[in-house]
This record gives sequence, structure tokens and C-alpha cells, in this order.
Amino acid sequence: EAQVTQNPRYLITVTGKKLTVTCSQNMNHEYMSWYRQDPGLGLRQIYYSMNVEVTDKGDVPEGYKVSRKEKRNFPLILESPSPNQTSLYFCASRLQGNTEAFFGQGTRLTVV
Amino acid sequence: GQQVMQIPQYQHVQEGEDFTTYCNSSTTLSNIQWYKQRPGGHPVFLIQLVKSGEVKKQKRLTFQFGEAKKNSSLHITATQTTDVGTYFCAALYGNKLVFGAGTILRVKS
Repeated sequence: EAQVTQNPRYLITVTGKKLTVTCSQNMNHEYMSWYRQDPGLGLRQIYYSMNVEVTDKGDVPEGYKVSRKEKRNFPLILESPSPNQTSLYFCASRLQGNTEAFFGQGTRLTVV
Repeated sequence: GQQVMQIPQYQHVQEGEDFTTYCNSSTTLSNIQWYKQRPGGHPVFLIQLVKSGEVKKQKRLTFQFGEAKKNSSLHITATQTTDVGTYFCAALYGNKLVFGAGTILRVKS
């Protein structure tokens, strides 16, 4: 089944404790992105990647890191999480620039 | 950065009433996409519009792309409780897919 898989689905952590949210897609898509969703603000892009080893900042990259060592995986790293990073995070992939995006199930992160 | 303005932010309708959400961009768009997110779910692609003035229908949903390719709308005729959720438009700026803030639709039965 074609899908985007994120893990974990839920995470509660403490300020400053490094964490990684994994994202994997099995559709051989070129493009992958991370978004955060906050009430009233919609989906804001954190980082995106056009291919292996090619990444670029989205609109809200501060406090986040990504890597794209393999085509299928695009992990999101929070080196030192802060409470303002409490949010719902979505990973998405798409085949090419102008094709539909497929989203993962989401990761609800709480930083206390 | 690039922005797609979407209104209204929230709409609460009686079942059977119509619903419309609008997206606007200050720049000409190459295409526009629409997504639906059910409560507790993830965004799911509905449709993509590419041509100036394009109109596409999916059952009770009608999607339009403006003549100048700077605006788009999604209209739902005779809403049902299954229509509840958040509707997002999204536009491509270079390699970035930028989403509007979304319109939350609630339907009273």
C-alpha cells in the first residue's frame, strides 16, 4: 500500500531533550516536506527536500533540522525542543513539483 | 514569504446549506490544489486546477480557478455532516507547496 509513515504518533518530552520524528515513504517520490499545524495558522512548511542530499528551508525552519540521506526517509530533528514547538507535525511527499502531496498520519508533539 | 490567503477561517452551516471557501494570491499561480482534513485526520488531496478559468466538479463540490490565476474557490452544495473538516488550498511557488490557513467547516444537523 502506498503510504507515508511517521513515527511516533504522539510524543511528550521535556525542554532541551533532543528528539527525532521519522518519516518514510514507499512511493519513490522525489519531494518530501515537513509541516507544522497550529490553530488558526494552517499548515506551515518547516523544511522541504527535492531529492537526496538536497534540502531547503520552508517558512518556519528555526529550531529544526532535517536530512535526506536516502530517497525514502526524511527525518525531522529537534536538537533542543522548546514549548513553542508544541504542535501537530505532518510529513508529506510528492512525486514531482506540481503533483499531489501525500501526508503521513501526523505526530502530536508536546514539549513541557 | 509567499502567501495564499484563505477565507473564511471558520464557517458553521445548517445541513443542506451551501458553503464556499476562497483563496487568493498576490501573484499568478501555475496551479492550485485543494485538500480536505477530517477532524483528527491528515490532509487528503481533492483536486488540482491548472488552466485559467477552469471549473471542475466532484459530486456536490465545485472547484474554480480564476481567469487571472490568482484566486480559486471551493463550493459545496447542500452540505452534509460528512463534509465537516478543514479545507485547504495550496499553491506551488517554485519547489515549495504553500498552504492557506484553511477553512474549518462545521455542519449542524
